[in-house]
Amino acid sequence: EIVLTQSSATLSLSPGERATLSCRASQSVNNYLAWYQQKPGQAPRLIIFDASSRATGIPARFSGSGSGTDFTLTISSLESEDFAVYYCQQRQTWPYTFGQGTKLEI
Amino acid sequence: QVQLVESGGGLVKPEGSLRLSCAASGFSFTDYYMSWIRQSPERGLEWIAYISAKNTYIDYADSVKGRFTISRDNAKNSVYLQMSRLRVEDTAVYYCAKGRAGVLNSWGQGTLVTVSS
Repeated sequence: EIVLTQSSATLSLSPGERATLSCRASQSVNNYLAWYQQKPGQAPRLIIFDASSRATGIPARFSGSGSGTDFTLTISSLESEDFAVYYCQQRQTWPYTFGQGTKLEI
Repeated sequence: QVQLVESGGGLVKPEGSLRLSCAASGFSFTDYYMSWIRQSPERGLEWIAYISAKNTYIDYADSVKGRFTISRDNAKNSVYLQMSRLRVEDTAVYYCAKGRAGVLNSWGQGTLVTVSS
């Protein structure tokens, strides 16, 4: 199975700063990578799919990039509601797998 | 708006069985694959099963293959997860989610399954 490794377990930043979250795949997933946001007590929410496409209703400050094995989620200017856990997920090969998550904290 | 409401979770003994249900509304149910994903502190997020819109394609993670069965009733806009021979390591919050081609664009609120003697 494809293993996704998110390089930071925790990222501590302040509102207004730029956040850069990384995800590395154990083998190429082409651009079949998604990012999800999860807040405490809530289900994950789709943010980015196919590496760089924003999901419906997601603000433009969220952007995704990368292909093959290395991917980045960027939040250009952090708002208070962006502090959450972010997971990457691949759909290149079943079983579809998730990274272990990066907690973005104030 | 899209709503996915899971039910059926609870406490069950090892080797026991449980059936989870997910009632869907607010979208054309027969246009979407449906999936079950679980989350635990030990295993993180784990996509355990999916079923295609017309029941043509079904697959399972190895960790549940042979023990869990996913099904759907398009007339009732519902998807199910029959879980048998449950293990302690199956303890998790179970989410149903809708999507296409391996992208989960809506999730339910989850139901907790606890396997313990």
